[in-house]
Amino acid sequence: AQSVTQLGSHVSVSEGALVLLRCNYSSSVPPYLFWYVQYPNQGLQLLLKYTTGATLVKGINGFEAEFKKSETSFHLTKPSAHMSDAAEYFCAVSTDGSSNTGKLIFGQGTTLQVKP
Amino acid sequence: DGGITQSPKYLFRKEGQNVTLSCEQNLNHDAMYWYRQDPGQGLRLIYYSQIVNDFQKGDIAEGYSVSREKKESFPLTVTSAQKNPTAFYLCASSPRGTPEQYFGPGTRLTVT
Repeated sequence: AQSVTQLGSHVSVSEGALVLLRCNYSSSVPPYLFWYVQYPNQGLQLLLKYTTGATLVKGINGFEAEFKKSETSFHLTKPSAHMSDAAEYFCAVSTDGSSNTGKLIFGQGTTLQVKP
Repeated sequence: DGGITQSPKYLFRKEGQNVTLSCEQNLNHDAMYWYRQDPGQGLRLIYYSQIVNDFQKGDIAEGYSVSREKKESFPLTVTSAQKNPTAFYLCASSPRGTPEQYFGPGTRLTVT
């Protein structure tokens, strides 16, 4: 069965510092992987996704993630944090690879704090 | 503008009352989903529907019901049987052939 583990429920960085949010997955099929961001009292917004092809995926707001099959990881990074990046971030894996069977499994979320 | 709307943003109900949360999309997506979000627990799937007039239970369907009479609409009813209904409810949709989901702004339900 598919599962997602986000290491660290809270991450704090200084403005301008590197952001690294960790995500490890378990999947019995080639995974489709996603990162979403959620601002307080709002819905989730897709940051980036990995389906097939290039393992380094670039998303919105300067974020990127690298799919590492050998490590079953999909960590999210941003070279320089901005105050507006403060939010909750969710990693998700599709339960059935490329098929649209309607199910994503979400991690518990990581709250990113950015200090001035 | 295409998107997903959920109404209302905040909803208050007394214990023992059923309440229906609205979700509408104009993205022409086939699939729609309902999630519940509680602090520290991520998102948990309540129900999903891949086609009109058909839906499946998710991981936490007890105490909830849905209908899918139109492609654009997927209302969720929180019944009095739901033991702990206070939560943030999120609706999402996805186009055919991809698991990528798009989310609405959410409804915060408080039951006292």
